Amino acid sequence: EAGVTQSPTHLIKTRGQQATLRCSPISGHTSVYWYQQALGLGLQFLLWYDEGEERNRGNFPPRFSGRQFPNYSSELNVNALELEDSALYLCASSGAEGRGNSPLHFGNGTRLTVT
Amino acid sequence: GNSVTQMEGPVTLSEEAFLTINCTYTATGYPSLFWYVQYPGEGLQLLLKATKADDKGSNKGFEATYRKETTSFHLEKGSVQVSDSAVYFCALNSGGYQKVTFGIGTKLQVIP
Repeated sequence: EAGVTQSPTHLIKTRGQQATLRCSPISGHTSVYWYQQALGLGLQFLLWYDEGEERNRGNFPPRFSGRQFPNYSSELNVNALELEDSALYLCASSGAEGRGNSPLHFGNGTRLTVT
Repeated sequence: GNSVTQMEGPVTLSEEAFLTINCTYTATGYPSLFWYVQYPGEGLQLLLKATKADDKGSNKGFEATYRKETTSFHLEKGSVQVSDSAVYFCALNSGGYQKVTFGIGTKLQVIP
């Protein structure tokens, strides 16, 4: 079974540009989560998509947005990049069964560097 | 809202030492509790979980018991190895459309 895949692995952008990060969940999983992990900090929750709908959103400005496609893959967009957006962005997926008990399955992340 | 508190670390231990990483939580209802591990350069992996009070999760020699009376889920291992060096995250999921809440992560370094 293929795990959660994220692309690209590394992304270098200039301040003010836009970044697009992609995630493919495990086959059969309908929920996709996005987290930001800045250096030396824990995981900051960004967005949660389930069945194509945004279900929950973390405390981030509107320039962080995303969507989930009919095949349950997801895209995270970050507009007007700032230096402090440099971080590892992790995507995770989970199944719908026993939603509260299902663990998250993480990809290896996209390392975004803003210069 | 929900929250998870864990020791910040780093924790440095000699090989074969006993490990405890404390985790306490605040949540409504009856959440499921998880420990995840993150090795350098990788995403997080599920280490173990417990879904109700007094459940014990275990994997790879690690174990943690869901203690509702003390709202705790401490991670333990009797004899750590160099390969256990990683960052460990405690997390809870209270179900529905509540987001999964993670602790800040505890870095463990095991020296030979």
